[in-house]
Amino acid sequence: GDSVTQMEGPVTLSEEAFLTINCTYTATGYPSLFWYVQYPGEGLQLLLKATKADDKGSNKGFEATYRKETTSFHLEKGSVQVSDSAVYFCALYNNAGNMLTFGGGTRLMVKP
Amino acid sequence: ETGVTQSPTHLIKTRGQQVTLRCSSQSGHNTVSWYQQALGQGPQFIFQYYREEENGRGNFPPRFSGLQFPNYSSELNVNALELDDSALYLCASSPAGTSGRKTQYFGPGTRLLVL
Repeated sequence: GDSVTQMEGPVTLSEEAFLTINCTYTATGYPSLFWYVQYPGEGLQLLLKATKADDKGSNKGFEATYRKETTSFHLEKGSVQVSDSAVYFCALYNNAGNMLTFGGGTRLMVKP
Repeated sequence: ETGVTQSPTHLIKTRGQQVTLRCSSQSGHNTVSWYQQALGQGPQFIFQYYREEENGRGNFPPRFSGLQFPNYSSELNVNALELDDSALYLCASSPAGTSGRKTQYFGPGTRLLVL
């Protein structure tokens, strides 16, 4: 079945540092890929998405490119802020199952 | 535009009891999905409802059941609660159509504790 693997956290960075959170997936067909963010005590917020190979999703300074050849969708941000501290989830949607499959999440901690 | 809302926010039950969680979808959305998120883990898909019928189900036992109403709101029912059912239950709604259904918008969740 489908699966998503994320780098384990926590990832601890200083403010204004460059962020990369790795995400790779296994899926049949051509899934859509997503990044969601979860702040403490809250639900998931959609951060960005990409629906086909070579698409780049972007939002609030975050970017991720759908790489079919490496089955990856790594999240990047050029300069993180303390307010970016949260748990980030990579996910894929496969039409066959009508469901999102999530990775285990990566906690990001940004220090001033 | 109102987002996805869920009730209650928190709930405490004892083992063997039954629970009903509720979800109102975002305006213009006709598909609702439910997920279970155990502490420190990613969400796991329970099932999806579209046009008041189950439209996909994850690896959860039959004691997890659901409903969708004509106004697209939804309920998740769990019978014979077990300690391992303690989790954050997330509802997500998505727009109509095969393409729209891929993008899901989540509510704040209901945190269930089973003692």
